[in-house]
Amino acid sequence: AAGVIQSPRHLIKEKRETATLKCYPIPRHDTVYWYQQGPGQDPQFLISFYEKMQSDKGSIPDRFSAQQFSDYHSELNMSSLELGDSALYFCASSLFQRGYNEQFFGPGTRLTVL
Amino acid sequence: AQKITQTQPGMFVQEKEAVTLDCTYDTSDQSYGLFWYKQPSSGEMIFLIYQGSYDEQNATEGRYSLNFQKARKSANLVISASQLGDSAMYFCAMRRFADKLIFGTGTRLQVFP
Repeated sequence: AAGVIQSPRHLIKEKRETATLKCYPIPRHDTVYWYQQGPGQDPQFLISFYEKMQSDKGSIPDRFSAQQFSDYHSELNMSSLELGDSALYFCASSLFQRGYNEQFFGPGTRLTVL
Repeated sequence: AQKITQTQPGMFVQEKEAVTLDCTYDTSDQSYGLFWYKQPSSGEMIFLIYQGSYDEQNATEGRYSLNFQKARKSANLVISASQLGDSAMYFCAMRRFADKLIFGTGTRLQVFP
């Protein structure tokens, strides 16, 4: 069965650079969530999209922006990177109508900011 | 606000033994979902088991079962017949309908021979 795809899997950037993370949800899933997991931390919600519209926003820095495109893939854009942005970034997808059921996670993008 | 509490930072269990990972939650919602995810050292987040707040029976998935006690707001994960490959971080999480997941701080399980 198709899973959530994230690219790149690993990314190394310098401080103040920009980064773009991509997420391709499971086909027919209409909702995408982004989470950030710092070292030794639990995942923290950043932002979500339903049917290409932003549906919720968490503790996402103003330096970050995201969108969901017409093909339902999503991109997380990160600018003026800081050392503290080093983390594992997960994308998860689900079907809105199965709203209490599990979110399917991608393998994550490990971002290292030097 | 929703909150998940996992009070066991680390647990040890011998291979083939059963282990219970604790999870309590706080919410004012009547309808919600409870989840357990496994995160091995490789980093991926693997869904294990789900319990709906209105489900009367405890969820089971193979060697995993969820001991759901709604009045106590607890959703403990029981792993039977532990295997070395069960060594990982385990997160309890909850969500409202079509909402984000709220995670606990996790429990690191180590299975020894």
